[in-house]
Amino acid sequence: EPEVTQTPSHQVTQMGQEVILRCVPISNHLYFYWYRQILGQKVEFLVSFYNNEISEKSEIFDDQFSVERPDGSNFTLKIRSTKLEDSAMYFCASSTGYEQYFGPGTRLTVT
Amino acid sequence: AQSVTQPDIHITVSEGASLELRCNYSYGATPYLFWYVQSPGQGLQLLLKYFSGDTLVQGIKGFEAEFKRSQSSFNLRKPSVHWSDAAEYFCAVGAEGYNNNDMRFGAGTRLTVKP
Repeated sequence: EPEVTQTPSHQVTQMGQEVILRCVPISNHLYFYWYRQILGQKVEFLVSFYNNEISEKSEIFDDQFSVERPDGSNFTLKIRSTKLEDSAMYFCASSTGYEQYFGPGTRLTVT
Repeated sequence: AQSVTQPDIHITVSEGASLELRCNYSYGATPYLFWYVQSPGQGLQLLLKYFSGDTLVQGIKGFEAEFKRSQSSFNLRKPSVHWSDAAEYFCAVGAEGYNNNDMRFGAGTRLTVKP
């Protein structure tokens, strides 16, 4: 069964550094998403992406964040200058338009 | 915008007992409703979903949920819980429309199963 994959599974970075989280959505899906889950808290919507542009973003998704679909398979989330409070689990999801399928997540630790 | 409330932060049940996890949503139009399960250190697995039609939906692992518009609820049930069901459960609501962009999650309910 096709699935969403994410790399790396765990990323440790120093405050102020740039990180890129990578996702490979399910191949025939057209809608792509990033969510964040701070430890012990609920899953929060960050951004959705369709037709090579952002279709919606939350208040969390500020200028430090960007997304890109650099080729036909990858979908990336970049954090330009990480802060301690960016430490969280980041989930990618993809969809044909209805239910969203989630990847296993990348745990980002900012020290 | 839509929102979800899961009133129970933590529930403990004995193995073999029945289970009901509560979910209340707030949304002005027809909601798309989902239940996801998350095991420790794992991603989110879809248990079941409601878009339209029969208000009692069946999911994987023996779970079911009932959509009650009058109560704005979408409670998850299982008649007999197994130890492997111990996990965090999230209810989520998506906006009406082809692309449920803005899916909002509840805070989650942690399920502990006693032997």
